[in-house]
Amino acid sequence: AAGVIQSPRHLIKEKRETATLKCYPIPRHDTVYWYQQGPGQDPQFLISFYEKMQSDKGSIPDRFSAQQFSDYHSELNMSSLELGDSALYFCASSFGSHNEQFFGPGTRLTVL
Amino acid sequence: AQTVTQSQPEMSVQEAETVTLSCTYDTSESDYYLFWYKQPPSRQMILVIRQEAYKQQNATENRFSVNFQKAAKSFSLKISDSQLGDAAMYFCAYKYSGGGADGLTFGKGTHLIIQP
Repeated sequence: AAGVIQSPRHLIKEKRETATLKCYPIPRHDTVYWYQQGPGQDPQFLISFYEKMQSDKGSIPDRFSAQQFSDYHSELNMSSLELGDSALYFCASSFGSHNEQFFGPGTRLTVL
Repeated sequence: AQTVTQSQPEMSVQEAETVTLSCTYDTSESDYYLFWYKQPPSRQMILVIRQEAYKQQNATENRFSVNFQKAAKSFSLKISDSQLGDAAMYFCAYKYSGGGADGLTFGKGTHLIIQP
């Protein structure tokens, strides 16, 4: 069965640079969630989209923005990167906003 | 705001035995979902089991079952006949069901070790 696709899988950036993470949900899924998992931490919810509209917002820094496009894929844009942004970034998708979230493999971001 | 607490940072069990992972949560809502996710060394997040708060019957999925005590706000996971492949971090998670695409709130996780 098709799964959530995230790209790139690994990304290395310098401080103050910009990064864009992409998420392609499971076909027919209309809801996308973004989570950040620091080393040895639990995942922290950042933001979600349902039918291309922002739905819920968690602990997302102002330096980060995201959107969901007409084909339901989503992008997380991160600017002025800091060392503390180094983490595993998960995208999850669901069919409808109340069904199970299926997680992608994550993008490992390293900020040097 | 809701919180999820996993009081066992690490648990160890012999292969083929049964282990129970604890989770408590705090919420003022009456309608919500609870989940257990497994995160093996690959870091992939895998849904193990889901429980709707309005259902009194405890969810089961093969060797995995939960003990859901709504009044006590407790949601423990029992793994029967433990296998080496069960070794992973296990996260308990909460999601409010009355809103839209609300994000999950996770506990800090329990590292499960399976002794051969």
